Amino acid sequence: QSGLTQPASVSGSPGQSITISCTGSTSDVAGYNYVSWYQQHPGKAPKLIIYEVSNRPSGVSTRFSGYKSGTTAYLTISGLQAEDEADYYCSSYSSAGALYVFGPGTQVTVL
Amino acid sequence: QLQLQESGPGLVKTSETLSLHCTVSGGSITKTGYYWGWIRQPPGKGLEWIGSFSYTGTTYYNPSLKSRVTVSVDTSKNQLSLKLSSVTAADTSVYYCARGAGSSVSLDSWGQGTLVTVSS
Repeated sequence: QSGLTQPASVSGSPGQSITISCTGSTSDVAGYNYVSWYQQHPGKAPKLIIYEVSNRPSGVSTRFSGYKSGTTAYLTISGLQAEDEADYYCSSYSSAGALYVFGPGTQVTVL
Repeated sequence: QLQLQESGPGLVKTSETLSLHCTVSGGSITKTGYYWGWIRQPPGKGLEWIGSFSYTGTTYYNPSLKSRVTVSVDTSKNQLSLKLSSVTAADTSVYYCARGAGSSVSLDSWGQGTLVTVSS
């Protein structure tokens, strides 16, 4: 059902930077600045880490950053740490009838 | 601090109606600017938005589930509810309630989730 696409997995070594892409369409990612990113550790609820494309909620590490270009949004994790190993989901508002459309998720592995 | 807690049966029979509640503490469910919604996650799979109730009283549903879903709010109990009818095994999921910030369309607070299994 997801209208957004993400890579299934991304990996990196500690200290490196990685970027996760989230590709949508003009009905969602490209059309609105309502892209959010969520981090989910196994067995836990998702946690909001980026909202409105590039804003971080209070308390979220500055190592997480987001941006958008056209129909694709990106999440960058800088200075990769072991605790960053988790699943990451992008979400966007969609004019196609859904308040929230989620991507399929990207599993981040810290090597 | 805002807390959301889901509750309800962990097992529902095929073709019956799944009913869950989400009790909100540490904040009012009628606070202006917020939406209260349900998101589910089948075991080992991704997130799917089900529906949300707006502070304006408007409800929004995932078009793919709209015919089977009702999301409502009981302001006297500060509680959000979900009803999903005619369930099948495909509805087996962890169900989360979450608060949505209307200004950013982001889900900024989540419950811990509750697993609901559909079986005959």
